[in-house]
Amino acid sequence: DVKVTQSSRYLVKRTGEKVFLECVQDMDHENMFWYRQDPGLGLRLIYFSYDVKMKEKGDIPEGYSVSREKKERFSLILESASTNQTSMYLCASSLGFGTAANEKLFFGSGTQLSVL
Amino acid sequence: RKEVEQDPGPFNVPEGATVAFNCTYSNSASQSFFWYRQDCRKEPKLLMSVYSSGNEDGRFTAQLNRASQYISLLIRDSKLSDSATYLCVVNTRDNFNKFYFGSGTKLNVKP
Repeated sequence: DVKVTQSSRYLVKRTGEKVFLECVQDMDHENMFWYRQDPGLGLRLIYFSYDVKMKEKGDIPEGYSVSREKKERFSLILESASTNQTSMYLCASSLGFGTAANEKLFFGSGTQLSVL
Repeated sequence: RKEVEQDPGPFNVPEGATVAFNCTYSNSASQSFFWYRQDCRKEPKLLMSVYSSGNEDGRFTAQLNRASQYISLLIRDSKLSDSATYLCVVNTRDNFNKFYFGSGTKLNVKP
């Protein structure tokens, strides 16, 4: 089975801190994604990457940046954490694009981030 | 207008009941469709892909209606373990393949 590992399950940070969320997948997937999930809003895409060093903005990229230096690792960076970034952050990966089989998303177990 | 809309529920049903969820999507160019299941405080997990011809996996049946732009999920003989939130997911395969998630439909199966 595909394994997507997020570095922390729970994280508490202070306003203004720089926050790093790490995600590693072990199945040589091309695509990796960062979502945040908030009650009533569903999952919203922050950034995704379809190749090493490639990144694309999602629907809510403001206040975030990403890094993909190696295929298996996709990092989400909160440059200066704010209270409205308190959320559940979910990393996902998929094999590729073009068919439903390739597009299946595999999620990490999530990081619940609280910014105080 | 949201890309993908679902009735949030909750749907409260007794064990053994049949329950159906619908999900509508706004982009007629959408190409691939999925149902994911999410347990409380857990990550979403793929339940099934949805194909134009419809597909069945045990007690679960998914249907796609392109003309009306909706997909459905039917669960027969509900089990307590089916209690979860069911997320509808749509991919247009354009604009770098962004997946659009519904907010989810909560199902509670009662003894």
